[in-house]
Amino acid sequence: QQQVKQSPQSLIVQKGGIPIINCAYENTAFDYFPWYQQFPGKGPALLIAIRPDVSEKKEGRFTISFNKSAKQFSLHIMDSQPGDSATYFCAAIASMLTFGGGTRLMVKP
Amino acid sequence: GAVVSQHPSWVICKSGTSVKIECRSLDFQATTMFWYRQFPKQSLMLMATSNEGSKATYEQGVEKDKFLINHASLTLSTLTVTSAHPEDSSFYICSARLLAGALETQYFGPGTRLLVL
Repeated sequence: QQQVKQSPQSLIVQKGGIPIINCAYENTAFDYFPWYQQFPGKGPALLIAIRPDVSEKKEGRFTISFNKSAKQFSLHIMDSQPGDSATYFCAAIASMLTFGGGTRLMVKP
Repeated sequence: GAVVSQHPSWVICKSGTSVKIECRSLDFQATTMFWYRQFPKQSLMLMATSNEGSKATYEQGVEKDKFLINHASLTLSTLTVTSAHPEDSSFYICSARLLAGALETQYFGPGTRLLVL
């Protein structure tokens, strides 16, 4: 059973667009929600993270929105660039880290 | 930010040989490290949790005699793939748990690509 559901599986946007990746969870014990960015052949890199008592967090062009009552959170990438093309994983941590299925993002020039 | 290194970054070996992969936390101590396996276009699959000074905890379906884990110090964990076979070819990624007060997250290494011929 997948505890963190991520959508879409793949996403194509034009440069400057705002891709949005959504995640949903069931386990209310999760208390920390990181997002990772992974380029081909590389390990995941921590991008941004949020705690459930915060509704929004911004770091540069990356914003996490968090809806605790709906048990959903999302990543927005402002002014997306071709260099943002990567696979993005949401995750949730209780005693262990649980990954979502990943979203392959392509930003076209 | 916290840095985790892996060595080697890629390895090609013959079937039947053993391969050791090292995972190091470079600027922090990690009592807990994790080993993942990733197949193309898929998410990371947790193989085992490596605890400093104690035995690793393996996920269901992962053979502990096949994938030997040693966490000898607070900055080093090793994964040895014993008697490797072509089906063991994969991308292996380690991570180290960093605790900062009440916050906990994992930092990942760059991965090791293993090809068994």
